[in-house]
Amino acid sequence: RKEVEQDPGPFNVPEGATVAFNCTYSNSASQSFFWYRQDCRKEPKLLMSVYSSGNEDGRFTAQLNRASQYISLLIRDSKLSDSATYLCVVEYNFNKFYFGSGTKLNVKP
Amino acid sequence: DTGVSQDPRHKITKRGQNVTFRCDPISEHNRLYWYRQTLGQGPEFLTYFQNEAQLEKSRLLSDRFSAERPKGSFSTLEIQRTEQGDSAMYLCASSPNQGRQETQYFGPGTRLLVL
Repeated sequence: RKEVEQDPGPFNVPEGATVAFNCTYSNSASQSFFWYRQDCRKEPKLLMSVYSSGNEDGRFTAQLNRASQYISLLIRDSKLSDSATYLCVVEYNFNKFYFGSGTKLNVKP
Repeated sequence: DTGVSQDPRHKITKRGQNVTFRCDPISEHNRLYWYRQTLGQGPEFLTYFQNEAQLEKSRLLSDRFSAERPKGSFSTLEIQRTEQGDSAMYLCASSPNQGRQETQYFGPGTRLLVL
């Protein structure tokens, strides 16, 4: 079983739509959680950290459910520029990071 | 540009040849990571340095792979006797060691093709 699992998508949504991605992780000792964004043929970049209490950054909301071992990312009012692959990242054993395979989002005009 | 840099950006080599990649992290970042990414997959952890000390190595890192960070600044990743299965993007990332929820900053990667 993979450490971090994500639905690969693609999610094809119209501009303005709300879209949600989930990610599950296998190790209950995981310590830190992140969402990264990766554009085609580019390096991953941090989108947001995920805190236990949930957190919001503009149109993006991240939630963590430790009991069920999943993380979610909600994107409201999708923009064309949101089209990318979203990577779920889990850290445990201090500084060992596991990436999911990514969920591809296509926002259409 | 004060971001993470990697060199070369692309490398084509023949099977059996040795290749070496370089990563220059953001200055003052004392953590440095190497990852490998293949098409349709997320980055896979290879190894990690805290300053010059290599603290963790994935079992993905076979004996043909070696990484160094001799002065705690730049790092090199060498692959000996390359195989076609080594074809991938090799990503380097650095972070500042400020505790939990650390952001990793990635370089643009070195894309390796083994013929």
